[in-house]
Amino acid sequence: DSGVTQTPKHLITATGQRVTLRCSPRSGDLSVYWYQQSLDQGLQFLIQYYNGEERAKGNILERFSAQQFPDLHSELNLSSLELGDSALYFCASSSRGGMNTEAFFGQGTRLTVV
Amino acid sequence: LAKTTQPISMDSYEGQEVNITCSHNNIATNDYITWYQQFPSQGPRFIIQGYKTKVTNEVASLFIPADRKSSTLSLPRVSLSDTAVYYCLVGERAGTASKLTFGTGTRLQVTL
Repeated sequence: DSGVTQTPKHLITATGQRVTLRCSPRSGDLSVYWYQQSLDQGLQFLIQYYNGEERAKGNILERFSAQQFPDLHSELNLSSLELGDSALYFCASSSRGGMNTEAFFGQGTRLTVV
Repeated sequence: LAKTTQPISMDSYEGQEVNITCSHNNIATNDYITWYQQFPSQGPRFIIQGYKTKVTNEVASLFIPADRKSSTLSLPRVSLSDTAVYYCLVGERAGTASKLTFGTGTRLQVTL
């Protein structure tokens, strides 16, 4: 158990809809990272927050947004969903602020868009 | 932008040393090289990180040549439980910034 909690574990929704994925980082970790894993794109970095502020941005689509709250949990919002957004979404956390640092991953949320 | 590439798969017998190489010829000057292990239906797990030369911890070694355009993860005496997909992670140069990029992943199969 990495100490990072993601909910829900599975999500099935229709095209055009909006969903919110939630991540609780390890106790004390200030950085939260979001990643997407799909068969065709592999693992991709989406975005990083550090202590409530956006720290680094990767391949995050404009339809997607994220935020980190004062209690350090984070949410990833995906809107106007398309079939191609079906993927595993991972959250990771770290005690450090760097973009590429030792991070602890959650079990992921599997999103299926139908 | 050059892709960060790895061999698609490798096979090994239990007890052997396994070396997995990642090619990252567009690595950002100040970025680290990190390796993760991933089992099916789980999130990646941190293995090791380095900047240059050699780094060793209790589970692996990481070799990085002077030009830092590649790196090699070395797993000593693998066991069946090391069967997994291994990913390198680097920051690639993207204009004045760097873009965090995973390698294509190497599926390691360990057998008796």
